[in-house]
Amino acid sequence: QLQLQESGPGLVKPSETLSLTCTVSGGSISSTFYYWGWIRQPPGKGLEWIGSIYYSGITYYNPSLESRVTISVDTSKNQFSLKLTSVTAADTAVYYCARPAVTGFPYNWFDPWGQGTLVTVSS
Amino acid sequence: DIVMTQSPDSLAVSLGERATINCKSSQSVLHRPSNMNHLAWYQQKPRQPPKVLIYWASTRDSGVPDRFSGSGSGTDFTLTISNLQAEDAAVYYCQQYYKTPLTFGGGTKVEIK
Repeated sequence: QLQLQESGPGLVKPSETLSLTCTVSGGSISSTFYYWGWIRQPPGKGLEWIGSIYYSGITYYNPSLESRVTISVDTSKNQFSLKLTSVTAADTAVYYCARPAVTGFPYNWFDPWGQGTLVTVSS
Repeated sequence: DIVMTQSPDSLAVSLGERATINCKSSQSVLHRPSNMNHLAWYQQKPRQPPKVLIYWASTRDSGVPDRFSGSGSGTDFTLTISNLQAEDAAVYYCQQYYKTPLTFGGGTKVEIK
């Protein structure tokens, strides 16, 4: 059964870079043809798609974050990662990694999701 | 961007009654060549990730009780929960996957009256 697990610092200072990793178990990133995604949810608010990456490195980003976001993949570790630069308090959120339901297609719903990790931006 | 607008923001429904949640997209999410609506519904309970209930606007995911149903086409969609159970108390989101950026509705909180 495929499982995703986010990891990374829970506290980041303003203006610094948020870095998170999603480790995939129960399946291989490189042998399946999915666009792996990052989604975030500020406390008490709704969901925002950050971006998605194909195993080959092709990326799609939300234009609202594109200037600050980099998503990368490390197939040797079966992981994909998120970097968000110049963070502010508005970037405080639970960050989820997720796999889309349909292969080879960036336009997808997500299933399954990781449990999420809360990242707080504060000095 | 396609803006997804849900209504109401919240509703309280008695056990065994019906809950109806609406989702409107700012442009059509109907893919005409396939005649498929690129619209999914999720349920989220506190401290849990969203769980997909319905995709292609009306296809229930495996294991989802048949009291959950989705309908609509183009820009107007509805999630109906019939015979509401206590475990259905949650926040529900719609999501369009017609084009990027993928976007979600603001959520509808369903409470038990």
